[in-house]
Amino acid sequence: NAGVTQTPKFQVLKTGQSMTLQCAQDMNHNSMYWYRQDPGMGLRLIYYSASEGTTDKGEVPNGYNVSRLNKREFSLRLESAAPSQTSVYFCASSSGLGTDTQYFGPGTRLTVL
Amino acid sequence: RKEVEQDPGPFNVPEGATVAFNCTYSNSASQSFFWYRQDCRKEPKLLMSVYSSGNEDGRFTAQLNRASQYISLLIRDSKLSDSATYLCVVNRVYGQNFVFGPGTRLSVLP
Repeated sequence: NAGVTQTPKFQVLKTGQSMTLQCAQDMNHNSMYWYRQDPGMGLRLIYYSASEGTTDKGEVPNGYNVSRLNKREFSLRLESAAPSQTSVYFCASSSGLGTDTQYFGPGTRLTVL
Repeated sequence: RKEVEQDPGPFNVPEGATVAFNCTYSNSASQSFFWYRQDCRKEPKLLMSVYSSGNEDGRFTAQLNRASQYISLLIRDSKLSDSATYLCVVNRVYGQNFVFGPGTRLSVLP
């Protein structure tokens, strides 16, 4: 099992460019999440999907869109990148049932110039 | 006030020391609690879940006090490999499931 995978690992964008971060999990989890992590700020939730077919905003959704493509895949799109979106992005998944724990992907390091 | 708060750190301790991390949470409806470990430039990984009765995993002991809304992590006989940031995580029943504390950085020195 690969667990949670993310692509790409690194990306540099110019202001105004768009891109999609991909995330997939092979643990048959119901719930998936996108976080960003900035120095001194901790992990902040951007969007989450409690189950296939549903998505909800987290703490910092502005400037992002998401798609829960199927049970395995959850993508994050930046339509018009801004320097403030320079960050490390983590995807995570959890079963969504009972006493739940999250499993994280390796992260995408994004720089917006 | 943040929903989950932790000791600000960093903690610099010698090898073999015992170190304790504290975490408080504000939402009394929180249902489950965890400690995660994050190495520099890596993803967070589950260290241990925290149960009301307290639980131990080798050198690590976690405690939960629901009345005081307080969680702790004790590391005994610190190793160099314990150097990392420790994240306190609380799982709500509804809405955004997992809320992360800001983390406490630990450096174990030779």
